[in-house]
Amino acid sequence: DAGVIQSPRHEVTEMGQEVTLRCKPISGHNSLFWYRQTMMRGLELLIYFNNNVPIDDSGMPEDRFSAKMPNASFSTLKIQPSEPRDSAVYFCASSFLGLAGDEQFFGPGTRLTVL
Amino acid sequence: LAKTTQPISMDSYEGQEVNITCSHNNIATNDYITWYQQFPSQGPRFIIQGYKTKVTNEVASLFIPADRKSSTLSLPRVSLSDTAVYYCLVGEPLWAGNNRKLIWGLGTSLAVNP
Repeated sequence: DAGVIQSPRHEVTEMGQEVTLRCKPISGHNSLFWYRQTMMRGLELLIYFNNNVPIDDSGMPEDRFSAKMPNASFSTLKIQPSEPRDSAVYFCASSFLGLAGDEQFFGPGTRLTVL
Repeated sequence: LAKTTQPISMDSYEGQEVNITCSHNNIATNDYITWYQQFPSQGPRFIIQGYKTKVTNEVASLFIPADRKSSTLSLPRVSLSDTAVYYCLVGEPLWAGNNRKLIWGLGTSLAVNP
C-alpha cells in the first residue's frame, strides 16, 4: 500500500482565495483525521470521520473551514475564504477502527501558505 | 480530557539511552498511553502504546507505573537519526465510542549529537 496520500504537497495562495486539500486514506481503514500543525499550537485535530461520517468537528476553527468524505477513499478539507493565519501544515491520517491501539498513519502533509 | 505534560526539549549523544517522561495526572480508567515520533517535514509515526506496566518493541520501551499518572519512553542507544519530536498522547481508543479528543500538544524535541 502507498500509505496515506495527500495533495498538493505545497500550496501558496492569496488571502481570500479558496483552498482545497485532498486526502486518500489507506485502503480498508475506517477512520480519517484532519490535523493542522503550527509552531505555536503544535498538532491540532480539526475533524475526524468514521465510515465516511463526521464524528467530531469541534476542532474546526470556524465556518471558513469545511471537510467532506464522499466515499471511503477520498476526503477534502476546504478553506473559503483563506486568511494568512491559516498558514500551517495540514496532515491527513487514517486508522483501522476495531484494533486495540488505533494506530494512526499520517500522510506527508500539505504546507499551506496564505499571503 | 486527559492533559499531558512533557519536556519541551532534550539533548543526548549517540549511543546513550534516552528517557522521556510524560505526566498525565488525570488519566482515566479506559485511557491508553501512546507515543509518536515526528521527523522534520513528515507526519508523526506511531512508536509504542501501553496501558500498564512495561511494553517493549523493536524500537523502544514504555514504562508505566502502577498509578499510571506518568509514563516513560525509553530509547536505547540513540543515533543521529533519532533526532525528532516525540509526542505522548493519552486517550481512549476511538472504537470505545466516546468523542474524546486526543490532545497532541508540542511534544518533546530530542536532539542527538555526535
